[in-house]
Amino acid sequence: ELKVEQNPLFLSMQEGKNYTIYCNYSTTSDRLYWYRQDPGKSLESLFVLLSNGAVKQEGRLMASLDTKARLSTLHITAAVHDLSATYFCAVDIAPNNNDMRFGAGTRLTVKP
Amino acid sequence: NAGVTQTPKFRVLKTGQSMTLLCAQDMNHEYMYWYRQDPGMGLRLIHYSVGEGTTAKGEVPDGYNVSRLKKQNFLLGLESAAPSQTSVYFCASSLGLSSNQPQHFGDGTRLSIL
Repeated sequence: ELKVEQNPLFLSMQEGKNYTIYCNYSTTSDRLYWYRQDPGKSLESLFVLLSNGAVKQEGRLMASLDTKARLSTLHITAAVHDLSATYFCAVDIAPNNNDMRFGAGTRLTVKP
Repeated sequence: NAGVTQTPKFRVLKTGQSMTLLCAQDMNHEYMYWYRQDPGMGLRLIHYSVGEGTTAKGEVPDGYNVSRLKKQNFLLGLESAAPSQTSVYFCASSLGLSSNQPQHFGDGTRLSIL
């Protein structure tokens, strides 16, 4: 059975600190996505990771992908309050790549 | 540029009633998706479509039907609503896998079944 597991599910950080969110998946996938969701809002795309070793950065967020380990990380550098949100990873399922699976999400709270 | 528009935004139904959720996109996307989001869980794919006139089942299709009669619209139907279908429903669209682009999401429909 396909599983997409994120940890931690809840994360409370102090401003200025660094932390990493992990996303493990249990089957072959060609693409991994990271999304952000603010409370009561829709999902916003952050990153699309397409190949082993891919690394993408946007501001204080950096995502990486290790397809051999079936692991993606979302690293937060010097967190600020505006990063408080729920972060989801998602994978498409090879060979039926139209079928998407999401992790349960990591609810991040950044405290001053 | 509206993107992905879902209607209605909120709805309360009684058990056994039927309804249709409408998703419209103006980005000329080929692929469209319906998800449900429940507390403490990620999004779960209900049905999807890879083009006009096509539909396919996702992870949790039971109790739902869909139609894609026009490229820009993707309808999700509940024939006989059940309390277990209380959820937030999100529609999404994308150019397709070969574009390597993410999905674009609507604002969601909050549906309560009493």
